[in-house]
Amino acid sequence: DVKVTQSSRYLVKRTGEKVFLECVQDMDHENMFWYRQDPGLGLRLIYFSYDVKMKEKGDIPEGYSVSREKKERFSLILESASTNQTSMYLCASSFGQDWYSNQPQHFGDGTRLSIL
Amino acid sequence: KQEVTQIPAALSVPEGENLVLNCSFTDSAIYNLQWFRQDPGKGLTSLLLIQSSQREQTSGRLNASLDKSSGRSTLYIAASQPGDSATYLCAVNQAGTALIFGKGTTLSVSS
Repeated sequence: DVKVTQSSRYLVKRTGEKVFLECVQDMDHENMFWYRQDPGLGLRLIYFSYDVKMKEKGDIPEGYSVSREKKERFSLILESASTNQTSMYLCASSFGQDWYSNQPQHFGDGTRLSIL
Repeated sequence: KQEVTQIPAALSVPEGENLVLNCSFTDSAIYNLQWFRQDPGKGLTSLLLIQSSQREQTSGRLNASLDKSSGRSTLYIAASQPGDSATYLCAVNQAGTALIFGKGTTLSVSS
């Protein structure tokens, strides 16, 4: 089975802090994604990556950056955390050279991040 | 811009009932459609993926259909059980973007 592991289930940080969310997958997937999920807004794509050192902006990249130095690891960085970034963050991965190939996305358990 | 809608937002049924969850999308140019299940406070579990060339997919008590021309998909759950209680999300995969999600249908099955 595919395993997507997010480093923290719950995280509390203060405004202005630099926050790192880590995601690791064990299936040698090319594609990795970061979403945030908010009540009433659903899941929205922040960033995705289809190869090592490659990244693409999603729908809501402002205030975030990402890093993918190794194929199995995709990190989401909140440069200067703000209260409106309090949310559930979900990482996903999928197989395929072409990131829109017909392979399902597999999700981690999520990180519930609170910014105080 | 692609929009995905799921109706109803919430559904309550007694155990044993067969039920249908609906998903509609505005742009039929999709590569595939995926159904997920999400338990409270958890991540998403992939249930079924239907490619654009397919009409339906089945897994156990679940059957998902796709009508690209009308922009609709349904998830049929047979003989529902309390353990089926969760939020069900559909998402479309459209070239040039990652998955675009609906807001989900929260299902409650009572024993």
